[in-house]
Amino acid sequence: DTEVTQTPKHLVMGMTNKKSLKCEQHMGHRAMYWYKQKAKKPPELMFVYSYEKLSINESVPSRFSPECPNSSLLNLHLHALQPEDSALYLCASSQASTVEQYFGPGTRLTVT
Amino acid sequence: AQKITQTQPGMFVQEKEAVTLDCTYDTSDPSYGLFWYKQPSSGEMIFLIYQGSYDQQNATEGRYSLNFQKARKSANLVISASQLGDSAMYFCAMNGGYQKVTFGTGTKLQVIP
Repeated sequence: DTEVTQTPKHLVMGMTNKKSLKCEQHMGHRAMYWYKQKAKKPPELMFVYSYEKLSINESVPSRFSPECPNSSLLNLHLHALQPEDSALYLCASSQASTVEQYFGPGTRLTVT
Repeated sequence: AQKITQTQPGMFVQEKEAVTLDCTYDTSDPSYGLFWYKQPSSGEMIFLIYQGSYDQQNATEGRYSLNFQKARKSANLVISASQLGDSAMYFCAMNGGYQKVTFGTGTKLQVIP
């Protein structure tokens, strides 16, 4: 099973809302990632969790708050977002010892 | 620092023909990996093929092959017998240190019936 799932598929939120994105994998991967992708651009790395600990934060604004409750789950908590945060948010996972990443279908976020 | 360059913003190919998508890279690391991902309009990034810097042979996965020329720092993707379902954005990428992947700007491939 090489599936990474993400919920919700689409999300519309106001600038004062609090919402969360969820990512799940059951491949036994120990590294999980959040990427942000704007239209017609490559994905940009946001966060990396390795063995459930935050190992990379690419200077992401604090209105994005990641959480890794266990080795299979990765959340991204959103608060006080700006319209420019509207994008496709992709989750990925990989074995800790390799860099081959498997991506989920993404959440299309619109901030109004 | 790692850098990936894809110089073809868009490509057209006739169905059943082969197509080559170009990718050049730059890195000072002696050990690295190169990848190709496919992204259909639905948004999901689909892993296609991987080439390690020390691999002696070019990687192949079904209709996909990676033409790896280390001295020229190129890692072109060859798709044989194109199908309509191959129409998508294709990203070349490399590992930029532990767990970090650097992506190119992508090539939009359109397969013509």
